[in-house]
Amino acid sequence: GIQVEQSPPDLILQEGANSTLRCNFSDSVNNLQWFHQNPWGQLINLFYIPSGTKQNGRLSATTVATERYSLLYISSSQTTDSGVYFCAARNFNKFYFGSGTKLNVKP
Amino acid sequence: DAGITQSPRYKITETGRQVTLMCHQTWSHSYMFWYRQDLGHGLRLIYYSAAADITDKGEVPDGYVVSRSKTENFPLTLESATRSQTSVYFCASSGHPYEQYFGPGTRLTVT
Repeated sequence: GIQVEQSPPDLILQEGANSTLRCNFSDSVNNLQWFHQNPWGQLINLFYIPSGTKQNGRLSATTVATERYSLLYISSSQTTDSGVYFCAARNFNKFYFGSGTKLNVKP
Repeated sequence: DAGITQSPRYKITETGRQVTLMCHQTWSHSYMFWYRQDLGHGLRLIYYSAAADITDKGEVPDGYVVSRSKTENFPLTLESATRSQTSVYFCASSGHPYEQYFGPGTRLTVT
């Protein structure tokens, strides 16, 4: 299977700050998803982004498949953004998750 | 529209017992997946299914059995539970273009 690495592993922000989370993958992928796991454990879809750039409110994501990475941008962070952010890369029929970036946004 | 549900949400069982975790989706998605999430780790794929009666192993299949007789259901069975199988189990489904949607998870404790 492929290796998926996320950085940074931990991130502390003051409310209102911006951040960039990175996801590197070791081989070609068919698609790439970003998820937010909230403090209650629920996994919430953020982006399905095999390539290109997408935006949804304060969040945006970019995947450069040829260079094997994806970035998640969070602007004007809020305390509700706290939790763990995962990327998942699909290779054939299997999805491989990174270990996540744990984000703590302080008021 | 319930989407994807899992039951039970919490389960405590003893070592050596058989336990089955249920997953049901209402979208008629072709693909369904079982993952486990352990503290400090991302999710690891246990088994997946591309369609009814088609299943295949993921990264960590040992000790687990799956079946898929109907498109909407994908049960996961631990035939003889071990303490190392204490984890949070997530079921997911995807249709085209393979965007996954996750259930709420089942927290399993094996004593």
